[in-house]
Amino acid sequence: DTGVSQDPRHKITKRGQNVTFRCDPISEHNRLYWYRQTLGQGPEFLTYFQNEAQLEKSRLLSDRFSAERPKGSFSTLEIQRTEQGDSAMYLCASEGLGSATQYFGPGTRLTVL
Amino acid sequence: AQTVTQSQPEMSVQEAETVTLSCTYDTSESDYYLFWYKQPPSRQMILVIRQEAYKQQNATENRFSVNFQKAAKSFSLKISDSQLGDAAMYFCAYRNTGNQFYFGTGTSLTVIP
Repeated sequence: DTGVSQDPRHKITKRGQNVTFRCDPISEHNRLYWYRQTLGQGPEFLTYFQNEAQLEKSRLLSDRFSAERPKGSFSTLEIQRTEQGDSAMYLCASEGLGSATQYFGPGTRLTVL
Repeated sequence: AQTVTQSQPEMSVQEAETVTLSCTYDTSESDYYLFWYKQPPSRQMILVIRQEAYKQQNATENRFSVNFQKAAKSFSLKISDSQLGDAAMYFCAYRNTGNQFYFGTGTSLTVIP
């Protein structure tokens, strides 16, 4: 088991473009979380899935953001019509049933020009 | 709403010495988890230590230990025999019964050789 992986590691895009990030959790972890982290701040919760069901969404998650986990394994986070304020590190974490501990991926750094 | 406060943006410690990082939190819940995560310059978050609120005994993991004061809502991390590899950003995190995590703003730890 190689841990949580995220792809891509870096993404540079122009304002107005759509971007999609992928997260592969630790196998058999049923919970998957997305966070956004800006420089000098701690991670901010965006949303989380239990298996394929999206159970919580932060108010930070505007209508331009959507996340899916169709088969309860990997997840995607899409940002439509990106804005410069979307520039951040997007972190994914997974958690096993009954574990109460999250394991983080390396993150995807998004830069919106 | 739950909040996590880390009042020390930066700390430094001499190699082999002991340092304590502070964290306070606000909650109305009685059952929750607290964590310390380490984020080295490579940016991947690593779990350092975890504490269940219902346990009175302070958690320890090798050179890392916590001082959990539930009534005071305080959760400090003590690093003993500090090593150069301990240099990182340290985040305190709170997990509520709804499985949401809240992070502090972090403490940047420098280890002086």
